[in-house]
Amino acid sequence: RKEVEQDPGPFNVPEGATVAFNCTYSNSASQSFFWYRQDCRKEPKLLMSVYSSGNEDGRFTAQLNRASQYISLLIRDSKLSDSATYLCVVNPDSWGKLQFGAGTQVVVTP
Amino acid sequence: DTGVSQDPRHKITKRGQNVTFRCDPISEHNRLYWYRQTLGQGPEFLTYFQNEAQLEKSRLLSDRFSAERPKGSFSTLEIQRTEQGDSAMYLCASSGRDRGFMGTDTQYFGPGTRLTVL
Repeated sequence: RKEVEQDPGPFNVPEGATVAFNCTYSNSASQSFFWYRQDCRKEPKLLMSVYSSGNEDGRFTAQLNRASQYISLLIRDSKLSDSATYLCVVNPDSWGKLQFGAGTQVVVTP
Repeated sequence: DTGVSQDPRHKITKRGQNVTFRCDPISEHNRLYWYRQTLGQGPEFLTYFQNEAQLEKSRLLSDRFSAERPKGSFSTLEIQRTEQGDSAMYLCASSGRDRGFMGTDTQYFGPGTRLTVL
Protein backbone atom coordinates (compact mmCIF):
# COMPACT_ATOMS: atom_id res chain seq x y z
CA ARG A 1 0.00 0.00 0.00
CA LYS A 2 1.31 3.44 -0.90
CA GLU A 3 1.91 5.87 1.95
CA VAL A 4 -0.12 8.62 0.27
CA GLU A 5 -2.87 7.83 -2.20
CA GLN A 6 -4.72 10.17 -4.52
CA ASP A 7 -7.28 9.87 -7.30
CA PRO A 8 -5.22 10.65 -10.41
CA GLY A 9 -8.16 12.27 -12.22
CA PRO A 10 -8.33 14.12 -14.49
CA PHE A 11 -11.01 16.29 -12.98
CA ASN A 12 -12.45 18.32 -15.85
CA VAL A 13 -13.92 21.49 -14.37
CA PRO A 14 -15.77 24.29 -16.14
CA GLU A 15 -14.33 27.71 -15.46
CA GLY A 16 -16.02 29.23 -12.42
CA ALA A 17 -17.08 25.91 -10.94
CA THR A 18 -15.97 24.29 -7.68
CA VAL A 19 -13.87 21.15 -7.54
CA ALA A 20 -12.83 19.09 -4.54
CA PHE A 21 -10.66 16.04 -4.12
CA ASN A 22 -9.07 14.04 -1.33
CA CYS A 23 -6.06 12.01 -0.49
CA THR A 24 -5.49 9.40 2.17
CA TYR A 25 -2.32 8.67 4.13
CA SER A 26 -1.27 5.55 5.96
CA ASN A 27 0.90 6.80 8.82
CA SER A 28 -1.37 7.90 11.64
CA ALA A 29 1.57 9.55 13.40
CA SER A 30 2.23 11.98 10.53
CA GLN A 31 2.98 15.47 11.75
CA SER A 32 2.42 17.91 8.94
CA PHE A 33 0.52 18.08 5.71
CA PHE A 34 0.68 20.13 2.56
CA TRP A 35 -0.75 20.61 -0.88
CA TYR A 36 1.78 21.33 -3.61
CA ARG A 37 0.94 22.34 -7.15
CA GLN A 38 2.95 21.06 -10.11
CA ASP A 39 2.67 22.33 -13.65
CA CYS A 40 3.71 20.12 -16.54
CA ARG A 41 7.47 19.48 -16.48
CA LYS A 42 8.01 21.99 -13.68
CA GLU A 43 8.97 21.66 -10.05
CA PRO A 44 6.40 21.29 -7.27
CA LYS A 45 5.43 24.57 -5.62
CA LEU A 46 3.84 24.90 -2.22
CA LEU A 47 0.17 25.76 -2.49
CA MET A 48 -0.71 25.64 1.18
CA SER A 49 -0.05 23.91 4.44
CA VAL A 50 -2.96 22.02 5.98
CA TYR A 51 -3.80 22.70 9.59
CA SER A 52 -5.83 20.50 11.93
CA SER A 53 -8.61 23.07 12.14
CA GLY A 54 -8.78 23.49 8.39
CA ASN A 55 -7.62 26.58 6.59
CA GLU A 56 -8.44 28.77 3.65
CA ASP A 57 -6.27 30.75 1.29
CA GLY A 58 -8.33 32.78 -1.13
CA ARG A 59 -10.25 30.35 -3.33
CA PHE A 60 -8.53 27.31 -1.84
CA THR A 61 -9.71 25.47 1.27
CA ALA A 62 -7.87 22.56 2.85
CA GLN A 63 -9.21 20.19 5.48
CA LEU A 64 -7.52 17.52 7.56
CA ASN A 65 -9.32 14.58 9.11
CA ARG A 66 -6.85 12.80 11.38
CA ALA A 67 -9.35 10.17 12.53
CA SER A 68 -9.97 9.00 8.97
CA GLN A 69 -6.48 9.94 7.77
CA TYR A 70 -7.51 12.01 4.82
CA ILE A 71 -6.81 15.48 3.52
CA SER A 72 -8.98 17.42 1.15
CA LEU A 73 -8.58 20.39 -1.16
CA LEU A 74 -11.43 22.48 -2.51
CA ILE A 75 -11.02 25.06 -5.24
CA ARG A 76 -13.82 27.61 -5.68
CA ASP A 77 -14.46 29.76 -8.75
CA SER A 78 -11.93 27.78 -10.80
CA LYS A 79 -9.68 29.71 -13.15
CA LEU A 80 -8.02 28.43 -16.30
CA SER A 81 -4.71 28.99 -14.50
CA ASP A 82 -5.71 26.44 -11.84
CA SER A 83 -5.11 23.66 -14.39
CA ALA A 84 -2.26 21.65 -12.89
CA THR A 85 -1.46 18.52 -10.93
CA TYR A 86 -2.10 18.83 -7.21
CA LEU A 87 0.22 16.80 -5.02
CA CYS A 88 -0.87 15.70 -1.57
CA VAL A 89 2.15 15.70 0.72
CA VAL A 90 2.67 14.27 4.19
CA ASN A 91 5.62 14.73 6.51
CA PRO A 92 5.90 11.94 9.07
CA ASP A 93 8.09 14.18 11.24
CA SER A 94 8.21 17.91 11.76
CA TRP A 95 11.15 17.93 9.37
CA GLY A 96 12.78 15.42 7.08
CA LYS A 97 11.52 13.60 4.03
CA LEU A 98 8.21 14.40 2.42
CA GLN A 99 5.94 11.64 1.19
CA PHE A 100 4.08 12.56 -1.98
CA GLY A 101 0.99 11.19 -3.58
CA ALA A 102 1.07 10.63 -7.31
CA GLY A 103 -1.02 13.74 -7.86
CA THR A 104 -4.53 14.67 -8.97
CA GLN A 105 -4.78 16.32 -12.36
CA VAL A 106 -7.22 19.21 -12.67
CA VAL A 107 -8.16 20.61 -16.07
CA VAL A 108 -10.21 23.80 -16.07
CA THR A 109 -12.03 24.37 -19.34
CA PRO A 110 -13.48 27.61 -20.76
CA ASP B 1 17.13 34.93 -7.96
CA THR B 2 17.22 33.69 -4.35
CA GLY B 3 15.49 30.35 -4.92
CA VAL B 4 16.92 26.87 -5.17
CA SER B 5 19.00 26.39 -8.31
CA GLN B 6 20.07 23.19 -10.03
CA ASP B 7 22.57 22.49 -12.74
CA PRO B 8 22.37 21.19 -15.38
CA ARG B 9 18.69 21.46 -16.21
CA HIS B 10 18.90 18.64 -18.73
CA LYS B 11 21.37 15.80 -19.13
CA ILE B 12 21.45 13.12 -21.80
CA THR B 13 23.92 10.33 -21.29
CA LYS B 14 24.65 6.85 -22.51
CA ARG B 15 24.12 3.83 -20.33
CA GLY B 16 27.18 3.10 -18.23
CA GLN B 17 28.38 6.69 -17.99
CA ASN B 18 28.67 8.63 -14.74
CA VAL B 19 26.75 11.85 -14.18
CA THR B 20 26.87 14.51 -11.49
CA PHE B 21 24.23 17.08 -10.63
CA ARG B 22 24.58 20.17 -8.49
CA CYS B 23 22.09 21.89 -6.21
CA ASP B 24 22.46 25.30 -4.61
CA PRO B 25 19.90 25.78 -1.83
CA ILE B 26 18.34 28.97 -0.56
CA SER B 27 21.23 30.61 1.25
CA GLU B 28 19.86 30.65 4.79
CA HIS B 29 18.52 27.09 4.65
CA ASN B 30 20.45 24.39 6.50
CA ARG B 31 18.50 21.38 5.26
CA LEU B 32 18.80 20.04 1.75
CA TYR B 33 16.89 17.18 0.13
CA TRP B 34 17.11 15.14 -3.04
CA TYR B 35 14.08 13.54 -4.66
CA ARG B 36 13.49 11.64 -7.88
CA GLN B 37 10.34 11.88 -9.95
CA THR B 38 9.28 9.66 -12.83
CA LEU B 39 6.42 10.28 -15.22
CA GLY B 40 3.01 10.03 -13.59
CA GLN B 41 4.40 9.68 -10.08
CA GLY B 42 5.01 12.05 -7.24
CA PRO B 43 8.58 12.80 -6.14
CA GLU B 44 10.27 10.05 -4.15
CA PHE B 45 12.70 10.86 -1.37
CA LEU B 46 16.34 9.92 -1.94
CA THR B 47 18.39 11.57 0.81
CA TYR B 48 18.67 14.57 3.07
CA PHE B 49 21.33 16.68 4.72
CA GLN B 50 21.34 18.91 7.71
CA ASN B 51 24.31 21.18 7.21
CA GLU B 52 27.03 18.82 5.95
CA ALA B 53 25.68 15.71 7.69
CA GLN B 54 23.75 13.20 5.59
CA LEU B 55 21.01 12.20 8.01
CA GLU B 56 18.83 9.83 6.00
CA LYS B 57 19.11 7.77 2.84
CA SER B 58 16.30 5.98 1.07
CA ARG B 59 16.55 2.36 0.01
CA LEU B 60 16.10 3.79 -3.50
CA LEU B 61 19.62 5.15 -3.20
CA SER B 62 21.59 2.18 -4.47
CA ASP B 63 25.36 1.85 -4.24
CA ARG B 64 25.62 3.60 -7.61
CA PHE B 65 24.26 6.81 -6.09
CA SER B 66 26.21 9.10 -3.82
CA ALA B 67 25.42 12.54 -2.49
CA GLU B 68 27.62 15.04 -0.75
CA ARG B 69 27.32 18.41 0.86
CA PRO B 70 30.90 19.07 1.88
CA LYS B 71 30.63 22.59 3.29
CA GLY B 72 26.98 22.59 4.22
CA SER B 73 26.09 24.79 1.28
CA PHE B 74 25.71 23.31 -2.22
CA SER B 75 25.23 19.59 -2.76
CA THR B 76 26.13 17.15 -5.52
CA LEU B 77 24.39 13.94 -6.51
CA GLU B 78 26.44 11.48 -8.53
CA ILE B 79 25.12 8.43 -10.36
CA GLN B 80 27.72 5.92 -11.46
CA ARG B 81 27.24 3.43 -14.30
CA THR B 82 23.89 4.88 -15.28
CA GLU B 83 21.06 2.60 -16.30
CA GLN B 84 17.98 3.35 -18.38
CA GLY B 85 15.88 3.04 -15.23
CA ASP B 86 17.70 6.07 -13.82
CA SER B 87 15.95 8.31 -16.34
CA ALA B 88 13.89 10.73 -14.27
CA MET B 89 13.66 14.25 -12.97
CA TYR B 90 16.02 14.80 -10.04
CA LEU B 91 14.69 17.46 -7.73
CA CYS B 92 16.50 19.28 -4.98
CA ALA B 93 14.72 21.08 -2.17
CA SER B 94 15.87 23.10 0.79
CA SER B 95 14.32 24.19 4.04
CA GLY B 96 14.90 26.11 7.22
CA ARG B 97 12.58 26.84 10.09
CA ASP B 98 9.77 29.07 8.83
CA ARG B 99 8.95 31.92 11.18
CA GLY B 100 5.36 31.78 12.33
CA PHE B 101 4.91 28.11 11.59
CA MET B 102 4.56 25.83 14.58
CA GLY B 103 6.92 22.95 14.09
CA THR B 104 6.56 22.77 10.33
CA ASP B 105 9.39 22.89 7.89
CA THR B 106 8.47 24.00 4.38
CA GLN B 107 10.56 22.62 1.55
CA TYR B 108 11.17 24.74 -1.53
CA PHE B 109 12.07 22.98 -4.73
CA GLY B 110 14.51 23.80 -7.47
CA PRO B 111 13.64 23.44 -11.17
CA GLY B 112 15.11 19.94 -11.34
CA THR B 113 17.59 18.15 -13.56
CA ARG B 114 15.98 15.97 -16.19
CA LEU B 115 18.15 12.93 -16.87
CA THR B 116 17.74 10.78 -19.95
CA VAL B 117 19.81 7.61 -20.17
CA LEU B 118 20.01 6.18 -23.68
